[in-house]
Amino acid sequence: NAGVTQTPKFQVLKTGQSMTLQCAQDMNHEYMSWYRQDPGMGLRLIHYSVGAGITDQGEVPNGYNVSRSTTEDFPLRLLSAAPSQTSVYFCASTPGGTNEKLFFGSGTQLSVL
Amino acid sequence: KNQVEQSPQSLIILEGKNCTLQCNYTVSPFSNLRWYKQDTGRGPVSLTIMTFSENTKSNGRYTATLDADTKQSSLHITASQLSDSASYICVVSPVFGNEKLTFGTGTRLTIIP
Repeated sequence: NAGVTQTPKFQVLKTGQSMTLQCAQDMNHEYMSWYRQDPGMGLRLIHYSVGAGITDQGEVPNGYNVSRSTTEDFPLRLLSAAPSQTSVYFCASTPGGTNEKLFFGSGTQLSVL
Repeated sequence: KNQVEQSPQSLIILEGKNCTLQCNYTVSPFSNLRWYKQDTGRGPVSLTIMTFSENTKSNGRYTATLDADTKQSSLHITASQLSDSASYICVVSPVFGNEKLTFGTGTRLTIIP
């Protein structure tokens, strides 16, 4: 199992550009989520999904869209990038049910100029 | 506001020595407390998850303790190794699940030979 795979590893955008951060997991986990990690702050939840076709907002959803068409994939879309979205983004998954342990991807470092 | 405070911010110790990292939280209600290890450039990896009824949990050389009355937790690392160099993140959840997690900012641990 590859676990949680995120692409790209690094990305530089100009203000106003759009892009999609990819996240895929091969563990058949129902629950998937996106976090951002900023210096001096704890990880913050952007969006999450409890299963295919179901998504919901987390703590900091503005400027981001998600969809969940399959169990495996949970892409994060930046509609119009802003410098405030410069961050490291992590995708995470968990089996759900009584198992709350999160499995994280290796992250995408995004810079918006 | 729910908060998780970790101390120290950073710590340097000699290989083979023991160390203890602290976590204080004001999250209420309380469901569980987690410790994660995050290597540089990687996503967090789960070490332990403790509910309010558990006051000690071990994972190899890592032992976490929890005092739900004083809202404090510690992570003790025994016989440190160079591979223990990482950030250690304390995470508290007020409810079952992963939608309301409060992440600490982490303790950066450096092991020197």
